[in-house]
Amino acid sequence: ETGVTQSPTHLIKTRGQQVTLRCSSQSGHNTVSWYQQALGQGPQFIFQYYREEENGRGNFPPRFSGLQFPNYSSELNVNALELDDSALYLCASSLVGDDGYTFGSGTRLTVV
Amino acid sequence: GEDVEQSLFLSVREGDSSVINCTYTDSSSTYLYWYKQEPGAGLQLLTYIFSNMDMKQDQRLTVLLNKKDKHLSLRIADTQTGDSAIYFCAEKDYGGATNKLIFGTGTLLAVQP
Repeated sequence: ETGVTQSPTHLIKTRGQQVTLRCSSQSGHNTVSWYQQALGQGPQFIFQYYREEENGRGNFPPRFSGLQFPNYSSELNVNALELDDSALYLCASSLVGDDGYTFGSGTRLTVV
Repeated sequence: GEDVEQSLFLSVREGDSSVINCTYTDSSSTYLYWYKQEPGAGLQLLTYIFSNMDMKQDQRLTVLLNKKDKHLSLRIADTQTGDSAIYFCAEKDYGGATNKLIFGTGTLLAVQP
């Protein structure tokens, strides 16, 4: 049974650019959530995908968007990057009806 | 809305017990989680408990829940230097169509040899 894998592990982007982060869910999991963890803070919920559709969003602007693919892998896209977008982005997969969440190791995004 | 609070820092000596505390605000039945985060790493699920339980034990870890006071604690017995990390408490929010986790700000556990 594989865990959740995220790529890339580190990324540096310039303000105003766009970025795509990727996540492969744990085998058998059909739901994926994305969280943003700023330095010194707890993770904050961005959104969740189930059956390839967004089914919940936290307090993040529309320039944060995502996709879920038929194999349950997922992407997080952020447009018009701002300095405050610098954070660790965590992907978590789960199975509908189950209450466990498995997190990946995250992508560290630095916006300069 | 829901809120989860934790103390920021705890220092213990190797071999002692550590107790990390958390308070939450959700008044409905919910799951409560403890995650461990080592430097530069993601979140490792340690254990979780449903809010109708008082206690859960798993090897060196004991979770105690005081539902009346909405207080959750994680006790680590025989704390080792490898336990040094940030520990996050989280509650599951069933609001709306999405089940999401609401995290505290984390407690940094420093284990002195």
